[in-house]
Amino acid sequence: GAVVSQHPSWVICKSGTSVKIECRSLDFQATTMFWYRQFPKQSLMLMATSNEGSKATYEQGVEKDKFLINHASLTLSTLTVTSAHPEDSSFYICSASGTGGETQYFGPGTRLLVL
Amino acid sequence: KQEVTQIPAALSVPEGENLVLNCSFTDSAIYNLQWFRQDPGKGLTSLLLIQSSQREQTSGRLNASLDKSSGRSTLYIAASQPGDSATYLCAVRRGGGADGLTFGKGTHLIIQP
Repeated sequence: GAVVSQHPSWVICKSGTSVKIECRSLDFQATTMFWYRQFPKQSLMLMATSNEGSKATYEQGVEKDKFLINHASLTLSTLTVTSAHPEDSSFYICSASGTGGETQYFGPGTRLLVL
Repeated sequence: KQEVTQIPAALSVPEGENLVLNCSFTDSAIYNLQWFRQDPGKGLTSLLLIQSSQREQTSGRLNASLDKSSGRSTLYIAASQPGDSATYLCAVRRGGGADGLTFGKGTHLIIQP
């Protein structure tokens, strides 16, 4: 099946720093990638949707200037959490779908802890 | 706005029992519904995907049904095993292509050996 990787798997950073998370589709071309966030004991919430070569579409309540998304190629999307604060500590997970768009394949997630 | 509810929030049963997990959604205009498994601190494993035109899907000991008009889906697990212990997530998709998923909070399942 289709494989999606994320890097890093976990990161600890100081408040005010920026953190970049990579999401890669390893064996297929991902025309669309999605970024989700999961707080403890909460459901996964869609943050944004990105299509290769175009600007991301953010869900209501998600600050586009804080969560920068780049989808520069058909196999790579990045999420940069700028000036991270403790309330940004969460589990970030990406998914990707190919040209058919039927199924989203999820990465293993990145756990972010901001001190 | 679509809302997905999963009942129960947690379930603990002895090994070998058959069990049913429930999922309901408020907007019946969905493209498909998917059940996932999430292990602690890990990503998601897709279990079953049901298209809006389908009524059920089966994979091994798992069977998922969909009643789109009433906004309900159930995941049936037969002959449960300790390895089935995980959080089970239900998610619906409004459309294909660029539409993301709306998730429920999940059912935390423990199968006692």
